[in-house]
Amino acid sequence: AQSVTQLGSHVSVSEGALVLLRCNYSSSVPPYLFWYVQYPNQGLQLLLKYTSAATLVKGINGFEAEFKKSETSFHLTKPSAHMSDAAEYFCAVSDGGGNTPLVFGKGTRLSVIA
Amino acid sequence: DTGVSQDPRHKITKRGQNVTFRCDPISEHNRLYWYRQTLGQGPEFLTYFQNEAQLEKSRLLSDRFSAERPKGSFSTLEIQRTEQGDSAMYLCASNLLAGDQDTQYFGPGTRLTVL
Repeated sequence: AQSVTQLGSHVSVSEGALVLLRCNYSSSVPPYLFWYVQYPNQGLQLLLKYTSAATLVKGINGFEAEFKKSETSFHLTKPSAHMSDAAEYFCAVSDGGGNTPLVFGKGTRLSVIA
Repeated sequence: DTGVSQDPRHKITKRGQNVTFRCDPISEHNRLYWYRQTLGQGPEFLTYFQNEAQLEKSRLLSDRFSAERPKGSFSTLEIQRTEQGDSAMYLCASNLLAGDQDTQYFGPGTRLTVL
C-alpha cells in the first residue's frame, strides 16, 4: 500500500527566505508523485508532478522538487518565499500516474512572514 | 474551459437527513473522482468513474454513500441518514485518460456540516 508522510504540519518562513516542505513516500512500485497547493476556500491546484522522467521537476510559481529514490523523498523547494505562497501544500502518490486515485499526505501549512 | 464545478458549495443539514452533491467535470474528461477532506487532513479517496462505469470504491465509502455518473458527464454523491462524522469537504476531480494528460483537476469542493 502506498503512503505519504509530510514532516511538519506548519512551516513558517520570512519573505525572501528558502521554502522547504518535506515529503517521504512509501510505494511497492515505481511511484508517481505530485505536489498540490490549496488556498483557503478553493480546490487543489497542481504545482508539479514526477512521472519517472527527470528527477528534478520544475513546477509553477517558482517551485521545484527533487525525486530521491534512495531516500524515498520528494521535497518541495522554492528559493525565495513570497507572501502569496501562504497556503496549504499536499504531497500525493499514486501507482498509476494521475489516472488512478491519489493518496495524499496530511498537508503542510506554509506561513510567510513579512 | 470552465473548470470543475461543484454544487452546492456549502450544505448544512441535520443528523439523519439525506444530502446530494453534484459535480460537473471539465468537458470531455472521462475520469471523475470523489475525495473527502476532513479538518487538518489531506483528501481521502472515495470513488471514481470512467465515463459512466464506477471503477473503484474505497472502504471509507459506507453503505450510506452512493455515487453515480449516469451519462458519463456530471456525477452525484448522495449520503443517506447523515451522521456528524460525515461533516467534511467533499472534493471532485476530473481528468482525461489520454497520453500525458493525466493531471487531476479539482473543483472548489462542497463543505458539509451535519448538526
